[in-house]
Amino acid sequence: AQSVAQPEDQVNVAEGNPLTVKCTYSVSGNPYLFWYVQYPNRGLQFLLKYITGDNLVKGSYGFEAEFNKSQTSFHLKKPSALVSDSALYFCAVRDGGTYKYIFGTGTRLKVLA
Amino acid sequence: SAVISQKPSRDICQRGTSLTIQCQVDSQVTMMFWYRQQPGQSLTLIATANQGSEATYESGFVIDKFPISRPNLTFSTLTVSNMSPEDSSIYLCSVDGSGQGVGEQFFGPGTRLTVL
Repeated sequence: AQSVAQPEDQVNVAEGNPLTVKCTYSVSGNPYLFWYVQYPNRGLQFLLKYITGDNLVKGSYGFEAEFNKSQTSFHLKKPSALVSDSALYFCAVRDGGTYKYIFGTGTRLKVLA
Repeated sequence: SAVISQKPSRDICQRGTSLTIQCQVDSQVTMMFWYRQQPGQSLTLIATANQGSEATYESGFVIDKFPISRPNLTFSTLTVSNMSPEDSSIYLCSVDGSGQGVGEQFFGPGTRLTVL
């Protein structure tokens, strides 16, 4: 069965420092991987995706993620965090054979000024 | 990207009543999805709604409790029936960006439901 794990409930980072939000996945076929961000009282906003191609994908707001097939990971990264990046981040996987998303439990990112 | 609106944005309802949530998209889409996000938790897919066919429900969700309509390619409704406090959640609709079920999904702002 498909699954997504976000091992950290919360990540704290100082403004200007690099940030990483972790995600590992398990799928039976080729993975389609996604990151979303949710600001308070707002819906989810799409950040980036990996379908195929380069393992490093770049997305919105300066975020990027690295697909690592051997480690079944898709960690979200940003070189320099902003206080405005503070939000709830969700990793999601879609099995290549279906249209359904499986969401991780979410990681709350707090960027400290 | 698609722009999605939902009505109402929030509501407080009494136990045993029903609430219908509307989802409007600014473009025609084949696949629409309804999710539930319980307080402090992740998103769970309730059902997939395709125009012209019956909605497909996920395990643990039934049509009698969550009837869905999909009258055209830009609109869908989800009804939460015979509500109990356990139904208090954020309900989100989304659409598939690729139109083929393989791209990113775009989400509405959500409906925050509180059941007393």
